[in-house]
Amino acid sequence: GENVEQHPSTLSVQEGDSAVIKCTYSDSASNYFPWYKQELGKGPQLIIDIRSNVGEKKDQRIAVTLNKTAKHFSLHITETQPEDSAVYFCAASILTGGGNKLTFGTGTQLKVEL
Amino acid sequence: DAGVTQSPTHLIKTRGQQVTLRCSPKSGHDTVSWYQQALGQGPQFIFQYYEEEERQRGNFPDRFSGHQFPNYSSELNVNALLLGDSALYLCASSLAGVEGYTFGSGTRLTVV
Repeated sequence: GENVEQHPSTLSVQEGDSAVIKCTYSDSASNYFPWYKQELGKGPQLIIDIRSNVGEKKDQRIAVTLNKTAKHFSLHITETQPEDSAVYFCAASILTGGGNKLTFGTGTQLKVEL
Repeated sequence: DAGVTQSPTHLIKTRGQQVTLRCSPKSGHDTVSWYQQALGQGPQFIFQYYEEEERQRGNFPDRFSGHQFPNYSSELNVNALLLGDSALYLCASSLAGVEGYTFGSGTRLTVV
């Protein structure tokens, strides 16, 4: 089955700096890659996603890049703010008409320091 | 517009007991998935329900079972609880054929 590895496990940046979180996946059939932000006591919240027919997607300060050949995808957050502090999870999925289970990475604890 | 609602928020059970967790999907969603999230880990897929049937299942034993009702709400049942079942149980809803789950805030289950 699919295996998703995520690095780093913790990341500390100064406010205003950029943060990058990287993931690799094992199943070349995976075609959907969402990123989730989880704050303490809450469920994961979808922040951005990308499909395998796209190499990059951007939404304001957040961007995701995908390298299908290397099976890598990354989350980039620019101009970080204290409210960006949370645990971030990458995930991979095979979208089919029969449903799409997500395989998650182990998470990155991002801390944005003032 | 209400998102995904899960109940209860917290639960303490004794080893060997049975537990039922409940989920109401986001309005307009027809597919419900359940995930188990151990402390410090990413969510692990348990199963997914669509049209009242289990459509996909992860690597969880038969002690974990579920149900989806005609109004799309869902239950997760766990029998013969083990200490290792202690975790945050997340329900996620989606619309069939459309990517993008909406997660609830979860039920924190503690088995003692």
